[in-house]
Amino acid sequence: AQSVTQLDSHVSVSEGTPVLLRCNYSSSYSPSLFWYVQHPNKGLQLLLKYTSAATLVKGINGFEAEFKKSETSFHLTKPSAHMSDAAEYFCVVAYSGNTGKLIFGQGTTLQVKP
Amino acid sequence: SAVISQKPSRDICQRGTSLTIQCQVDSQVTMMFWYRQQPGQSLTLIATANQGSEATYESGFVIDKFPISRPNLTFSTLTVSNMSPEDSSIYLCSVRAGLNTEAFFGQGTRLTVV
Repeated sequence: AQSVTQLDSHVSVSEGTPVLLRCNYSSSYSPSLFWYVQHPNKGLQLLLKYTSAATLVKGINGFEAEFKKSETSFHLTKPSAHMSDAAEYFCVVAYSGNTGKLIFGQGTTLQVKP
Repeated sequence: SAVISQKPSRDICQRGTSLTIQCQVDSQVTMMFWYRQQPGQSLTLIATANQGSEATYESGFVIDKFPISRPNLTFSTLTVSNMSPEDSSIYLCSVRAGLNTEAFFGQGTRLTVV
């Protein structure tokens, strides 16, 4: 069965410093993986996706993630945090089979300090 | 991409009553889902809305409480029945065009039960 674990419920960084949000997945096959962001009182926005192509995936707003099969990880990074990056981030794995269902991690709250 | 319109955007309801949430997509999509996001929590899948047939519910969710209709490939409704304060959540409609594609989300319906 598929599952996804976000290792940090809350991450705090200073503006201009790197961001690392950690995600591990469990899957019996090579999964599709996504990172979504949710700003306060806003809808969900796709940051990036991995669907078995290049293992280093570049997304919007300077974010990127690397798919590491040996570590079953899909960590999200950004070289330099901006105040506008403060939000809730969700790591998401696609369910196996042809149902199309997505499984959400518990979320990581990113705080960016001036 | 897909643009999803959800109605209402928010509502305050009396316990014991029912609310029907509408989801309209600007294009035909094969996969449509309903999620719940309780305060401060991640997204939990309620059910898959199947066109022309009964929805497929996840563990812990039942048709009597959350009846779903999907008469065509662009529209679905979710009803929250016999509401209690524990049903206070954001309810989100989501669609996917295929297994290797991202999911798009509506803006959500913020429900408060008093």
